[in-house]
Amino acid sequence: EPEVTQTPSHQVTQMGQEVILRCVPISNHLYFYWYRQILGQKVEFLVSFYNNEISEKSEIFDDQFSVERPDGSNFTLKIRSTKLEDSAMYFCASSDAGTGVVKLFFGSGTQLSVL
Amino acid sequence: EDQVTQSPEALRLQEGESSSLNCSYTVSGLRGLFWYRQDPGKGPEFLFTLYSAGEEKEKERLKATLTKKESFLHITAPKPEDSATYLCAVPSYGKLTFGQGTILTVHP
Repeated sequence: EPEVTQTPSHQVTQMGQEVILRCVPISNHLYFYWYRQILGQKVEFLVSFYNNEISEKSEIFDDQFSVERPDGSNFTLKIRSTKLEDSAMYFCASSDAGTGVVKLFFGSGTQLSVL
Repeated sequence: EDQVTQSPEALRLQEGESSSLNCSYTVSGLRGLFWYRQDPGKGPEFLFTLYSAGEEKEKERLKATLTKKESFLHITAPKPEDSATYLCAVPSYGKLTFGQGTILTVHP
């Protein structure tokens, strides 16, 4: 069964450093998303992306965050200058539709720890 | 703003002991509801989509139902492998609003 893959599974960084989280969505999907889950809290929407543009973003997704589809298979989330409060599990997701009741397929996540 | 609340926060069952998880929601207009399963350290895994009030979906020991205000996930004769966090979410296109989840533990 096709799946969303994320690398790395764990990332440890120092506060103020830049990190890039990588995702390979399901191959025929065109809509891509990042969510995050702080330990013990809800899964939260960060951003949705379609046709090389951000479709929607949450208040969490400030100027420190950016997303990119650098080639035909990868989708990345960059955090420019990490803060302690960025420590969380980050999930990439993809879907084959952007309207209606959209079913998302999630990756296994990248656990980001900011020290 | 869409809101989703799940109860209980945690549920411990003996193997074979059936029970139900609740998901109540407040949305501007119901566009469907999802149930996901999440294992520790993993991403949410899709279980069900419910599109309208009155709809029911079943998969193995799980049955999801939907009313105009809430959804239930019924677990019949659970096994230890059903232990996981169960999440419900309401969609606004690709943006999902999740509940905080119910941590289910099934003891042998």
